Amino acid sequence: DTAVSQTPKYLVTQMGNDKSIKCEQNLGHDTMYWYKQDSKKFLKIMFSYNNKELIINETVPNRFSPKSPDKAHLNLHINSLELGDSAVYFCASSLGLEVRDEQFFGPGTRLTVL
Amino acid sequence: TQLLEQSPQFLSIQEGENLTVYCNSSSVFSSLQWYRQEPGEGPVLLVTVVTGGEVKKLKRLTFQFGDARKDSSLHITAAQPGDTGLYLCAGAVSGGYNKLIFGAGTRLAVHP
Repeated sequence: DTAVSQTPKYLVTQMGNDKSIKCEQNLGHDTMYWYKQDSKKFLKIMFSYNNKELIINETVPNRFSPKSPDKAHLNLHINSLELGDSAVYFCASSLGLEVRDEQFFGPGTRLTVL
Repeated sequence: TQLLEQSPQFLSIQEGENLTVYCNSSSVFSSLQWYRQEPGEGPVLLVTVVTGGEVKKLKRLTFQFGDARKDSSLHITAAQPGDTGLYLCAGAVSGGYNKLIFGAGTRLAVHP
C-alpha cells in the first residue's frame, strides 16, 4: 500500500562515514526528488530526476550523489558525513515535471551525525 | 534567490478559535501550494492555488492567492485539536520543472 517508502527510517553514524538512503515509489511516477529538512523545519530541494535523468541539482556539496537505477527508485549516497548533514531527508515523487503534478512525500529518514 | 516567509512561526490557540497563517514573498510564483506535516511523516498536499486572487475552500480551511501571485493566506475557522500540525506553504518556480520553494512553516497547536 505504501506509495513512497524510504529506508532506513533512522540513521545514526559517525563523522567521516559514508552512508546511503534508499527511496522507492509504487505510484508509476516519472519524477522523483530528494529534499532536506533542517532542525528548524525548513524544507529545501536537493535533486530531482525524471525518467532516470537528473533535472534539478541545487547547490549541494559533491559529497551528495543521487542515483536512479530505474524510474521507481532514487537513492542518495553521502560521502564523508559531516555534523551539518544531520537532518531529515525526504524523498518525493510526482507524475511528471508539470507544476500541476502533485508531489507525494515519503515518511523521511532522520540522519544523525555524531 | 526566491524566498517565502511564513508568519507566525508558532501559534497556540484554544479549540473553536479562528486563525490565519500568512505566506509572503517578493517573487512571483506560478502557483502556491499548502501542505500539512505531522510529526515523523512527510508533508501532505492540502491545496494548490494557481490564479491571482483565487480562493479555495476545504471544509473549515480557506486558502487565498494574492492578486500579484506573491503571497497567500490560510484561514482556519473554528479550529479543532485535529488541526494541530506544521503548515508549510510552497511556491512553484515558473519554468522550474516542478521545483518548489518552501516557507519555514507555521507550527499550530490547538488545545481542547
